[in-house]
Amino acid sequence: AQSVTQPDARVTVSEGASLQLRCKYSYFGTPYLFWYVQYPRQGLQLLLKYYPGDPVVQGVNGFEAEFSKSNSSFHLRKASVHWSDWAVYFCAVSPSGGNYKPTFGKGTSLVVHP
Amino acid sequence: GPKVLQIPSHQIIDMGQMVTLNCDPVSNHLYFYWYKQILGQQMEFLVNFYNGKVMEKSKLFKDQFSVERPDGSYFTLKIQPTALEDSAVYFCASSLLQNTEVFFGKGTRLTVV
Repeated sequence: AQSVTQPDARVTVSEGASLQLRCKYSYFGTPYLFWYVQYPRQGLQLLLKYYPGDPVVQGVNGFEAEFSKSNSSFHLRKASVHWSDWAVYFCAVSPSGGNYKPTFGKGTSLVVHP
Repeated sequence: GPKVLQIPSHQIIDMGQMVTLNCDPVSNHLYFYWYKQILGQQMEFLVNFYNGKVMEKSKLFKDQFSVERPDGSYFTLKIQPTALEDSAVYFCASSLLQNTEVFFGKGTRLTVV
């Protein structure tokens, strides 16, 4: 069965520092992968998506992610974090086989210090 | 961009009463979902819906829960009767195809008292 693991429940960074949020997936075949962000009292918003092709995908607000089949990973990166990036980030993988829903990780809460 | 609208944004209801949460998905989307979130934590899948049928549901989708989308109108989640543990934020979502990006509404905060 497919799964998504976000090993860090919480990540704290200083404003201006670089960021990496980790995501590992388990999937049979070639996955479609997504990163979503949730700001307080909001729904999830798509940051970026990977469809088979270039392993590095660009998203909104300076975010990018890199797909690695060998590592089964899809880590999210940003070169310089802004205070407005303070949110919860969810990694997700598209359905496969008899599964009809995308599978989400448990989320990583990003805290940005001034 | 495409938007999923949820009505109401907040609802308070007495335990044992019925509640219907309404969702207006993206107009040309074919797949519809409900998720439950407690205290801003993990998004818990409840159910998804395609071509007028429930495709998959989780253990959280109790017998008291039902979904429908009559005549292509609102996609609704009904809980009858409600229980205290149903208090949460319920997110509706939709996607064009099974493996394309999912668009989420802003959620309905349900408080059962």
